[in-house]
Amino acid sequence: DIQMTQSPSSLSASVGDRVTITCQASQDISNYLNWYQQKPGKAPKLLIYDASNLETGVPSRFSGSGSGTDFTFTISSLQPEDIATYYCQQYDNLPLAFGPGTKVDIK
Amino acid sequence: QVQLQESGPGLVKPSETLSLTCAVSGYSISSGYYWGWIRQPPGKGLEWIGSIYHSGSTYYNPSLKSRVTISVDTSKNQFSLKLSSVTAADTAVYYCARLSGAYGWFDPWGQGTLVTVSS
Repeated sequence: DIQMTQSPSSLSASVGDRVTITCQASQDISNYLNWYQQKPGKAPKLLIYDASNLETGVPSRFSGSGSGTDFTFTISSLQPEDIATYYCQQYDNLPLAFGPGTKVDIK
Repeated sequence: QVQLQESGPGLVKPSETLSLTCAVSGYSISSGYYWGWIRQPPGKGLEWIGSIYHSGSTYYNPSLKSRVTISVDTSKNQFSLKLSSVTAADTAVYYCARLSGAYGWFDPWGQGTLVTVSS
C-alpha cells in the first residue's frame, strides 16, 4: 500500500500570509495526487486534482505542484474563510489513500 | 448539479451489520462514473472504504474487504454500503461521493452521516 504523509500537522498563520503544506508519498505516484479542504462539521471539498489543476470555482490563491513522491499545496494569501483541515489523496494505486491532514488556523 | 445524500441508522450494536444508502440526484448512476464510500472517525482522518461502478464492478479497501459489501440499484439511482461485525472502531462519519474514474478524485461528496457503534 502507498503511505501518505503531510507536514506540518498543524499551522497558525496571519491573514495575508503565504501558507505551504507538503505531502509525501511512500512511492512514485506520478501526478496522481489531489487536495481537499474540510471545514469543521462539513464534508471535504475538492480543491486541486492531478497535483496542479484547480477545480472549477476554486479561488486562484490555492495552488498545487509536484510529481513523483513530493507535492506542495500553497495558499498565496491566507483568508479567514480558509480555516480548515487540508488533506492530500493519492490515486496511483489501490487502496486509495489520504494523508493525515494539516489543520490551518489564524494566528 | 449532482447531489448525494446518505441515509441509515445512526446507532448500530456491536457485532451487527451497518447499512447505509446514498441517494444520487442530478445525475443518472447508469450514465457512468464510479461511486464510493469514505469514512472519518471522530477527530481523525479520512479512510476510503470502497467503490462501485453502475455495472456492479467493485473495489474494496483490503483492510475492510472481508466485512464490506457495496451494491448499486440503478432503478432507484442509489448505491449502498454494508459493513458486518461492527465494533466501536467503526464509529465514524460515513460519506458517499462520486469518483472521477475507477481511480481518481472524489467530487462531489454527500454531507455525511454519523454512525455510532454502541450497545
